[in-house]
Amino acid sequence: QKEVEQDPGPLSVPEGAIVSLNCTYSNSAFQYFMWYRQYSRKGPELLMYTYSSGNKEDGRFTAQVDKSSKYISLFIRDSQPSDSATYLCAMTGNQFYFGTGTSLTVIP
Amino acid sequence: DAGVIQSPRHEVTEMGQEVTLRCKPISGHDYLFWYRQTMMRGLELLIYFNNNVPIDDSGMPEDRFSAKMPNASFSTLKIQPSEPRDSAVYFCASRNRDYEQYFGPGTRLTVT
Repeated sequence: QKEVEQDPGPLSVPEGAIVSLNCTYSNSAFQYFMWYRQYSRKGPELLMYTYSSGNKEDGRFTAQVDKSSKYISLFIRDSQPSDSATYLCAMTGNQFYFGTGTSLTVIP
Repeated sequence: DAGVIQSPRHEVTEMGQEVTLRCKPISGHDYLFWYRQTMMRGLELLIYFNNNVPIDDSGMPEDRFSAKMPNASFSTLKIQPSEPRDSAVYFCASRNRDYEQYFGPGTRLTVT
């Protein structure tokens, strides 16, 4: 079983839609959870960072962590064409583990 | 801060040649990571350093790969000899004590 599982998509939504991106994990020792956004031919960019269970909001983005279910989510409200990218979840205990990424396209 | 700096941005070389990738981490970050990204395998951790000391190199695919960090502001990843299957984008990242990891722009390596 992989440490981190992420649906690769691709996901295609109309502009203005609410997007939900998800990851599951197997290691209960993970404490720090991150979401990265990667545009084509660019390096991953840290988008959201949370510690332990709960929600964290930053503008149109909300990161949610449910440690009891070993499940994390990223919600994007009022999605824009500029949100089109690959989103990678990441988490760490002693090491960093990345999901394989979900490709998102927001159609104008 | 300029962020993580990598060079070269693109490298095209012939099979059997030596390739050296370079990285300058963000000042003050005490962790440095080397990753490889391909369509097939996604983002793979190759090796990481803490305070210039290699901590885990279990992701380094073969003895052809080596990495060094002679000081806090510079690291290299070397492939010798290179093979076509090494073609990928190689990322360097550095991390602060709050576990926030920042990536460089990557080096796109093509081995023909």
